[in-house]
Amino acid sequence: DIQMTQSPSTLSASVGDRVTITCRASQSISSWLAWYQQKPGKAPNLLIYKASSLESGVPSRFSGSGSGTEFTLTISSLQPDDFATYYCQQYNSYSGTFGQGTKVEIK
Amino acid sequence: EVQLVESGGGLVQPGGSLRLSCAASGFTFSSYGMNWVRQAPGKGLEWVSYISSSSNTIYYADSVKGRFTISRDNTKNSLSLQMNSLRDEDTAVYYCARRGNSYGFDYWGQGTLVTVSS
Repeated sequence: DIQMTQSPSTLSASVGDRVTITCRASQSISSWLAWYQQKPGKAPNLLIYKASSLESGVPSRFSGSGSGTEFTLTISSLQPDDFATYYCQQYNSYSGTFGQGTKVEIK
Repeated sequence: EVQLVESGGGLVQPGGSLRLSCAASGFTFSSYGMNWVRQAPGKGLEWVSYISSSSNTIYYADSVKGRFTISRDNTKNSLSLQMNSLRDEDTAVYYCARRGNSYGFDYWGQGTLVTVSS
């Protein structure tokens, strides 16, 4: 099974900061990676698919990059609405494994 | 508007069974693969199961293989998850999620809570 490892687990940042979250796959998944944002008590929301494609309606301050085994999610200028938990997910196989999550907190 | 609405959650004793349902509307249900994803209290997301649009392809996480069964009824726009031999560690909010054309999970339900406890 493909394992996904995110870092860091928690990130403290201020409004306006540039934030980067890393996700590593245990084997190559080409570009079959998605990023989600989840707020407490809510379902996850798709931000990025195919590693770097922005889902419709998602602000352009979110971007994704990478291929193979290393991927990043970048928020160019953190906004108050962005404090949440972020998950990467591989879908190279139909298993759809998620990373353990990165909580972005207010500094 | 795409909507996914889960139901069927509740309290069940260890070893018991429960059947979850997901009612879909606002899109051509028979054209999309569907998934179940769960989240234990205070924990991360765990993919549980996938079923293709025509039910030809089905996958399960190792943690539920042999105990859970995913199915769908395209005539009723409905997705189901039959959960047997439930364990304490199956306690979670269960979400149904659509696999979009880009393969990301683009729509999610609000979730239904399953609590396994004696």
